[in-house]
Amino acid sequence: KQEVTQIPAALSVPEGENLVLNCSFTDSAIYNLQWFRQDPGKGLTSLLLIQSSQREQTSGRLNASLDKSSGRSTLYIAASQPGDSATYLCAVMNSGYSTLTFGKGTMLLVSP
Amino acid sequence: GAVVSQHPSRVICKSGTSVKIECRSLDFQATTMFWYRQFPKQSLMLMATSNEGSKATYEQGVEKDKFLINHASLTLSTLTVTSAHPEDSSFYICSARNRDRPYEQYFGPGTRLTVT
Repeated sequence: KQEVTQIPAALSVPEGENLVLNCSFTDSAIYNLQWFRQDPGKGLTSLLLIQSSQREQTSGRLNASLDKSSGRSTLYIAASQPGDSATYLCAVMNSGYSTLTFGKGTMLLVSP
Repeated sequence: GAVVSQHPSRVICKSGTSVKIECRSLDFQATTMFWYRQFPKQSLMLMATSNEGSKATYEQGVEKDKFLINHASLTLSTLTVTSAHPEDSSFYICSARNRDRPYEQYFGPGTRLTVT
């Protein structure tokens, strides 16, 4: 059974810092991995999706990497802003038609 | 594109009553929809998978008679919480799999259920 772990559970940084969020998964036979953002009381916003054959994806100040063999992914946020404050969730899909398995998330607070 | 809506966004009901939550794919056809439940500061836990025109598949530990799921069309799935109790209070999120892009799921904004 796939298990997804995210470290740290919470992170507080001053504005402008670069930061890294970590995600690990136990079954490396994944189809894709996705990073989501969730604001309090809201649904999920997809940030980046990495297919199993890819090593990384970039969108603006966000860069997600995937090392499937070691079961790890990182989400790098450059020049953090207060608006980046949210919970970031990592989720893996084990096959093209399977469900997503989510980590518990990292709660990020960026202070001005 | 790829928008999923949920209705209502918030609902408060009394213990013992039933409440229905709708999940709609607005600009695509969804052969499969998923229902998740999220407790405060916890991750999303999959409750059930519904395929259009067939019975839902429930995850272990989820009572199918309590959480009724109907997926009658390619754009609509409903979750009915029957005889709700305070412990059913939670954040319910649906997602939909695009028939044409099955490796992606699009999430709704969630429904906050409070049972008093």
